[in-house]
Order: sequence, then C-alpha cells, then structure tokens
Amino acid sequence: DIQMTQSPSTLSASVGDRVTITCRASQSITDWLAWYQQKPGKAPKLLIYKASTLKSGVPSRFSGGGSGTEFTLTISGLQPDDFATYYCQQYRSYSPLTFGQGTKVEIK
Amino acid sequence: QVQLQESGTGLVKPSETLSLTCTVSGDSIGSHYWSWIRQPPGKGLEWIGYVYNSGRTDYNPSLKSRVTMSVDTSTNQFSLKLTSVTAADTAVYYCARDVVATGFDSWGQGTLVTVSA
Repeated sequence: DIQMTQSPSTLSASVGDRVTITCRASQSITDWLAWYQQKPGKAPKLLIYKASTLKSGVPSRFSGGGSGTEFTLTISGLQPDDFATYYCQQYRSYSPLTFGQGTKVEIK
Repeated sequence: QVQLQESGTGLVKPSETLSLTCTVSGDSIGSHYWSWIRQPPGKGLEWIGYVYNSGRTDYNPSLKSRVTMSVDTSTNQFSLKLTSVTAADTAVYYCARDVVATGFDSWGQGTLVTVSA
C-alpha cells in the first residue's frame, strides 16, 4: 500500500491567515494526488486534482503543489467557510487507493 | 448535474451481510468508475473498491474476501455487499463517482450503517 501522511493533524488559524497542509506519500505518486474538504456530517468535496488543478467552482484562494512524494495544500486568506477537515488522496495505485488521515483546520 | 443517493439497511447484526445501493442520476453509469468509501465515526476515509459498467471490479485487499460490488445499467444503480460484518464495519458509507485522472468528483450524502446485535 502507498501510505499517505498529513501534517499537522490539527491546525489552529484565524480568518485571513495563510495556511499550508502537507501530505507525504510513502513512494512516488508523480502528481496523482487529490485534495478534499469535509465538513461535519457532510460528504467530502473535491478541491484539487492532479496535485495542482483546481476543480471548477473552487475558490482561487485554494492552491495545491508538489510532485513525487511531497505535496501541499495552501489556503491564502482563510475564510469562515474554510474551517473543516482536509484529506489528501493518492490515485497512482488502486491497490488500494489511499487517503491521508486528515487535517482539521479550526478557529484559533 | 450528477447526483448520487445511497440506500440500504442502517442496522446489521454481527456476522450478517451489509447491503447498500447507490442510485445515480444526471449521468450514465456506463461512463465512469463508481466507488464505495467508508468512514468510521470520528475517523478517516477508507476506499472499499470500485465497479465499472462491464462488471469489472477492484477491491481494497483488506476487505477483498468479504466484498462484492455490482452494477445495473438498466436502473443506473450500483451496489455493495459486505459479508460477515463486525462492529469494526460500523461507518458512514459513501458512494462516489471516480473520474479517471481526477479523483472522486461527486459523492452521495452518505448513509450510516451500524453493526450491532
């Protein structure tokens, strides 16, 4: 299995802050990485795919970067609606598809 | 706009079989891969497997011996069966559309399945 490790597990921030979440893969996944946002009681929503491609309709304050084994999700100018849990997911290998453990962005 | 809706039994006894169906609207089920993903209460996401319109499947090795997925193109539905369930299978189960090279771009709202006697 390709293990995905996110850091930090919890991030405390204020509205307007720039925050960065890191996701590391246990082996190279080139750029086959997606980021999701999940709010309590709701299904995850796709934000970014192919490591850095913003899904249509997702605000431009979200950006993704990286390749190989290290990736980042950056939110530039945190908004009240952005307080949620974020997951990375690799789709380099379907044996199996794997997610990071999640990063909760909470209000400072 | 594609919509997915899970349905099935919310309470399953230990050792029995969990059965769920996902109804797809706004898209042909023959066009993409369709996955099941679960999330135990308070925990992270686990991919269970996918099914394609030809009946092709691929399952998470950790669940492979207990999982069966199938697709019904006449009703635009796909289904999940998980046998010999235990309390560890208690989770919210999501169905999702898996677009090649993109990830899971559409999800159902999720359904809680509790395993308890």
